[in-house]
Amino acid sequence: SAVISQKPSRDICQRGTSLTIQCQVDSQVTMMFWYRQQPGQSLTLIATANQGSEATYESGFVIDKFPISRPNLTFSTLTVSNMSPEDSSIYLCSVGQGDGNTIYFGEGSWLTVV
Amino acid sequence: DQQVKQNSPSLSVQEGRISILNCDYTNSMFDYFLWYKKYPAEGPTFLISISSIKDKNEDGRFTVFLNKSAKHLSLHIVPSQPGDSAVYFCAAKTGGGNKLTFGTGTQLKVEL
Repeated sequence: SAVISQKPSRDICQRGTSLTIQCQVDSQVTMMFWYRQQPGQSLTLIATANQGSEATYESGFVIDKFPISRPNLTFSTLTVSNMSPEDSSIYLCSVGQGDGNTIYFGEGSWLTVV
Repeated sequence: DQQVKQNSPSLSVQEGRISILNCDYTNSMFDYFLWYKKYPAEGPTFLISISSIKDKNEDGRFTVFLNKSAKHLSLHIVPSQPGDSAVYFCAAKTGGGNKLTFGTGTQLKVEL
């Protein structure tokens, strides 16, 4: 499986600020996704990062709050904008490989908003 | 609407015994199912998957069973080891779709 690296691994952020999370994959992948896991909750898909075009957002998530870039087939960023304590979560980059059915995850970026 | 459910939030098993983790789903369009293992503050690690055209898939100590008529799948770990202690998530997707729908997770504790 691809090696998926995320930066930062964790951060403490001030309310009202924005933070950009980077995801680097060691091989070219067609499908990249961003998930979120809030404390005590399951994982929820935020959006699919599309190379060369706008991301596709799931219901409840909007581009103004979670802008995503995907400049090439190995890299993507997720920005969490105007953060509030409710944004405290683990944010996970993931990729689809093989036939696309198996999704692999990075190690996650744990954000705490104070 | 929780389309994928793991009704047992926790499970405790003795080392060497079998661990059975269960998962139920409601969406009949799901046709591919995956199990992940997750440690706190880390990303999920893919364990094993199964397509709806099968009813069983094995990989080492891990076996997944799928009962489509009951919309139920289970993960068997045998023998269980202390390193298996983690949260286990089942996830489902529809054919051609990219979105994984996750269950709420089961905390497995393997005791010595």
